[in-house]
Amino acid sequence: NAGVTQTPKFQVLKTGQSMTLQCAQDMNHNSMYWYRQDPGMGLRLIYYSASEGTTDKGEVPDGYNVSRLKKQNFLLGLESAAPSQTSVYFCASSPISGGVLEQFFGPGTRLTVL
Amino acid sequence: SQKIEQNSEALNIQEGKTATLTCNYTNYSPAYLQWYRQDPGRGPVFLLLIRENEKEKRKERLKVTFDTTLKQSLFHITASQPADSATYLCALYYKLSFGAGTTVTVRA
Repeated sequence: NAGVTQTPKFQVLKTGQSMTLQCAQDMNHNSMYWYRQDPGMGLRLIYYSASEGTTDKGEVPDGYNVSRLKKQNFLLGLESAAPSQTSVYFCASSPISGGVLEQFFGPGTRLTVL
Repeated sequence: SQKIEQNSEALNIQEGKTATLTCNYTNYSPAYLQWYRQDPGRGPVFLLLIRENEKEKRKERLKVTFDTTLKQSLFHITASQPADSATYLCALYYKLSFGAGTTVTVRA
């Protein structure tokens, strides 16, 4: 099992550009999550999906959109990138819907917005 | 809103000693609390989960306590080794909140 994979690993964008971060899991987990991690601030939840076809906002959703069309994939979109979105983005999955036990994290995507 | 504080950003200890990390939270009382380990350039890895009705949980050299009255969890690494050097994060189920983490460095 590959677990949770993320692509790309690194990305540099110019202000105003758009892009999609991809996340895939092969554990048949129901729930998936997107976090951002900034120095000194810990992980902050952007969006989560309790099951295929459903998504909900987390703590910091502004400037992002998500898509969960297939159970194994969770996509995070940046509509118009801003320097404040420079961060490390982590995707995670969990087997439980509506509740969280262990979360399995991907390796992260390091995004720089110039 | 929920706030999580981990006692310090960095903790340096001698090999063989016990490292004790603190996680304090405000407002909402979670049904359970989790601890994760994160190595540089990698995603967090789950270590332990403790429920509100459990006072203590152990896994090998790791021990976690949970005091819902004090709104605090303590994470202990006993007989520490240089391989234990990493950042440790606590997390609450409510709004999936994570602390900023404590970086532990174990000196040989």
